[in-house]
Amino acid sequence: QVQLVESGGGLVKPGGSLRLSCSASGFTFSDFYMNWIRQAPGKGLERISYISDRSTYTKYADSVKGRFTISRDNANNSVYLQMNSLSADDTAVYYCARTGLGSSFDYWGQGTLVTVSS
Amino acid sequence: DIQMTQSPSSLSASVGDRVTITCRASRNIDNYLSWYQQRPGKAPKFLIYGASNLQSGVPSRFSGSGSGTDFTLTISSLQPEDFATYYCQQTYSDTRNFGQGTKLEIK
Repeated sequence: QVQLVESGGGLVKPGGSLRLSCSASGFTFSDFYMNWIRQAPGKGLERISYISDRSTYTKYADSVKGRFTISRDNANNSVYLQMNSLSADDTAVYYCARTGLGSSFDYWGQGTLVTVSS
Repeated sequence: DIQMTQSPSSLSASVGDRVTITCRASRNIDNYLSWYQQRPGKAPKFLIYGASNLQSGVPSRFSGSGSGTDFTLTISSLQPEDFATYYCQQTYSDTRNFGQGTKLEIK
């Protein structure tokens, strides 16, 4: 069955960096676009980045553009999010999700919490 | 950018009730609309795509309709496990943004 497992979250100081990973299994990873979506405490869902199947295309929300970088390793069935210059506004649960049926996000990981605080 | 607006923001209902949640797009998105359910402390779960197509395994008490700018998610007979927050999402444009969510609570 399809599984997505995020890792790499934790507590980081303002201005710091963190790299999130999402390990995929149960499907042909290289056939699918992948996304990072975040959810600040008590707030809604925000898709912050996506990457195409062969890494040709990437896109970022304005809120993270220039600070975050998405990448993937199809040989290792993983997608990553490098987060730099973090601020308190980046505190959230970060989910990876697959783009599937109807261009929807059909499978999600369990999420990893990133807390930015001094 | 396409703005997605859900109403109501919260809703109280009882087990067995029929409930409807509305999602409005700021401009035409044809039927490029998805719905998700999120239970507290859990990841969102994909329910519906293309405005009305149920994901495999989703109970038939869930249904979606609409086209253009106005969409609805209906739960025909609420079950205890349906009390959650529901999000719509437009899949028409690259931003794939979500509505603000509708919290469905037990009355």
